[in-house]
Amino acid sequence: GQNIDQPTEMTATEGAIVQINCTYQTSGFNGLFWYQQHAGEAPTFLSYNVLDGLEEKGRFSSFLSRSKGYSYLLLKELQMKDSASYLCAVPDGNYQLIWGAGTKLIIKP
Amino acid sequence: EAEVAQSPRYKITEKSQAVAFWCDPISGHATLYWYRQILGQGPELLVQFQDESVVDDSQLPKDRFSAERLKGVDSTLKIQPAELGDSAMYLCASSPQTGSESGPYNEQFFGPGTRLTVL
Repeated sequence: GQNIDQPTEMTATEGAIVQINCTYQTSGFNGLFWYQQHAGEAPTFLSYNVLDGLEEKGRFSSFLSRSKGYSYLLLKELQMKDSASYLCAVPDGNYQLIWGAGTKLIIKP
Repeated sequence: EAEVAQSPRYKITEKSQAVAFWCDPISGHATLYWYRQILGQGPELLVQFQDESVVDDSQLPKDRFSAERLKGVDSTLKIQPAELGDSAMYLCASSPQTGSESGPYNEQFFGPGTRLTVL
């Protein structure tokens, strides 16, 4: 079967760095997406990794290890507006996404 | 910037009533998805369209839910009759034709969602 695991909730301090992990089990692999979702709003695209390694986009970076079935989202210089849920998702081969339950990130001043 | 449109943004209804949600995807996007999301969970796919055809509706409770995309552009999701357990956020997303410039697996662009409350 296919499965995605993420921590339910994390807390971090404004200005700090936080790493949100995602592990997955899929029958094939077609890349991994990260989305951000603020409370009461729709998910918005953050990153898509298909090759191993780290991809950086400003304060946000995403890492993938296909051999370990593992990814993480790294957020630097945390701001209060980064308080949101972060969803990990993998395509299933039918152009659908298998979604994790999301990690709720709480930023404290 | 092109966006996915959804209406209404909020809907409150009583159980046993009928409700309908509308979605207009980004122009030119062939694939359209309807999701249901319960607080604290990831989106759950209800139905996927490719142009006007249903690709997958295996998770759609067909005794009460229906979806259509008659001209392959905008789409409507209907619930009749609504039940208390249907209270959730209903999200519409669209994606370019598979195998486009950005790669074989394209990101999905979401509309703002419809928050449904069934009393």
